[in-house]
Amino acid sequence: KNEVEQSPQNLTAQEGEFITINCSYSVGISALHWLQQHPGGGIVSLFMLSSGKKKHGRLIATINIQEKHSSLHITASHPRDSAVYICAVGRLGETSGSRLTFGEGTQLTVNP
Amino acid sequence: KAGVTQTPRYLIKTRGQQVTLSCSPISGHRSVSWYQQTPGQGLQFLFEYFSETQRNKGNFPGRFSGRQFSNSRSEMNVSTLELGDSALYLCASSRELAGADTQYFGPGTRLTVL
Repeated sequence: KNEVEQSPQNLTAQEGEFITINCSYSVGISALHWLQQHPGGGIVSLFMLSSGKKKHGRLIATINIQEKHSSLHITASHPRDSAVYICAVGRLGETSGSRLTFGEGTQLTVNP
Repeated sequence: KAGVTQTPRYLIKTRGQQVTLSCSPISGHRSVSWYQQTPGQGLQFLFEYFSETQRNKGNFPGRFSGRQFSNSRSEMNVSTLELGDSALYLCASSRELAGADTQYFGPGTRLTVL
């Protein structure tokens, strides 16, 4: 079982719909990251959170540390939101280092 | 403020050769992490460097190595290339350790091994 599981793997929505992408993890974390990757490869960090909820424009990210679960919500979705959304957990290691472990990603397509 | 830059953007090599990829972080960022992305395995952690020291290493063979210079620029090297090394190699920088700070990603180097 992967340490980070995302669902769904693929999601198709109509413009204007409310979208939710889920992420579950099985390890202790220092922070959880939501990333967006457009065709061509560029990755942008959307949120980093370790508790509660964050909002940026139409995007909302929540995390429940006790349940080891996070959600990314997109309100009033738009075709430009079409991208791969990746959940990653940050862990601080024993040797004063850290690492990110990634989910498999969710391919979102928003149709006009 | 300039973003993270990676050179070269595209690279074609043949099996057995070696390759060096370069990453220049955002000014003031001390942490550089490297990742490999393939269609089959997704994104995987390679290394983390912080203040010129390798702080963590992913589960990759010793053919993969790296270093960080005093200006925080980082290089990674892959020796004796194999077909399976074909991938998008991404670096990301942050002020503090990657696990607990926002990551700023470079555009990546797409390596093709023939």
